[in-house]
Amino acid sequence: GNSVTQMEGPVTLSEEAFLTINCTYTATGYPSLFWYVQYPGEGLQLLLKATKADDKGSNKGFEATYRKETTSFHLEKGSVQVSDSAVYFCALSDNSGGSNYKLTFGKGTLLTVNP
Amino acid sequence: DAGVTQSPTHLIKTRGQHVTLRCSPISGHKSVSWYQQVLGQGPQFIFQYYEKEERGRGNFPDRFSARQFPNYSSELNVNALLLGDSALYLCASSSIAGNSIGTQYFGPGTRLLVL
Repeated sequence: GNSVTQMEGPVTLSEEAFLTINCTYTATGYPSLFWYVQYPGEGLQLLLKATKADDKGSNKGFEATYRKETTSFHLEKGSVQVSDSAVYFCALSDNSGGSNYKLTFGKGTLLTVNP
Repeated sequence: DAGVTQSPTHLIKTRGQHVTLRCSPISGHKSVSWYQQVLGQGPQFIFQYYEKEERGRGNFPDRFSARQFPNYSSELNVNALLLGDSALYLCASSSIAGNSIGTQYFGPGTRLLVL
């Protein structure tokens, strides 16, 4: 079956530090890949996505590149801010066999950014 | 434009009771999916509906059921509540193009506590 493995948290950084959150996946087909962010007490917000190999998703200074050869979709940001403190989820939807309705999530990585 | 809305925001029930959660999708979206997020975990897929039909079901017992209405809103019903049903229930809506489901956008969730 499909699965997503995320870097274990929590991750604590100082403001303006470089962020990497690792994500690898297992899928039977050709998945689309997503990063969602969840702020305290809220639902999930789509941060960025990539739908095919070598695509780079980007938003709000965050980037992730779909690497088929390493089955990875690592999230990066060059300079984090206190407002980036949240839980980050890597997810995939498997576009084969008509099952692309279902998102499979990783367990989430809690990021805390200190001033 | 309004995003995905869910009601109620919070709910407290006792074991054995039933609960109904409601979701209104983004205008123009015809697909609704439900996810359960237990504290500290990533969301788990429960159901997906479009055109008022169930299109996918996750690994949840028959106590969980859902339906979609002609206006594309949806209800999730859980019978015979157990303590383990305590979670954040998330609704996501998406557009449909041919046989493909678009990106899923999440509502703020309903937080259910079972005592």
